[in-house]
Amino acid sequence: DVVMTQTPVSMSVSLGGQVSISCRSSQSLVHNNGNTYLSWYIQKPSQSPQLLIYKVSNRFSGISDRFSGSGSGTDFTLKISRVEPDDLGVYYCGQGTQYPYTFGAGTKLELK
Amino acid sequence: QVQLQQSGAELTKPGSSVKISCKASGYTFTSYDISWIKQRPGQALEWIGAINPGSGGTGYNEKFKGKATLTVDKSSSTAFMQLSSLTPEDTAVYYCAIGGELGYWGQGVMVTVSS
Repeated sequence: DVVMTQTPVSMSVSLGGQVSISCRSSQSLVHNNGNTYLSWYIQKPSQSPQLLIYKVSNRFSGISDRFSGSGSGTDFTLKISRVEPDDLGVYYCGQGTQYPYTFGAGTKLELK
Repeated sequence: QVQLQQSGAELTKPGSSVKISCKASGYTFTSYDISWIKQRPGQALEWIGAINPGSGGTGYNEKFKGKATLTVDKSSSTAFMQLSSLTPEDTAVYYCAIGGELGYWGQGVMVTVSS
């Protein structure tokens, strides 16, 4: 199985600040069809996970442009700018290039 | 709008089975695969498997083969997951989600296995 490693495990941010979360995969996530199936999710307290970014850099429907994804191969980054209170929660990266679908352990974003 | 409405919380005993549901609305049921994901308290997400509602074809995480069985009822646009031979390690919230990127998620079902 593809192992997804996220760093940091947790981080504190001031409202209005910017954060970056890293996700590294144990194998290249480039599919035979040329697509890279790397997604980012947020799980707010007591809620289901929500898709933010898919295929590395595509924002899902209704997602603010304050969220951006980048990367290639095995190294990926989620950036959040102008952090708002509603951004707090646990962020997960996930890969769907190779089954089984696997997720990182999560990065908890808290207020400083 | 797309909605995935899952069944209510379950309290079950070790060794028993449980079947939970995920009723879809707001889209064509056969258009997207339905995945099931496990989340133990305070833990990360584990993909259990997925089913193609059109064909009934399934794919499972090796870890959950023999534990989970995925089915659908197209007439009611509902997906089901049966978990068998339950142990305390099966205590978790179970989510359904649709699409290759897991774009929409149900609210989750808490399954508690306790004697």
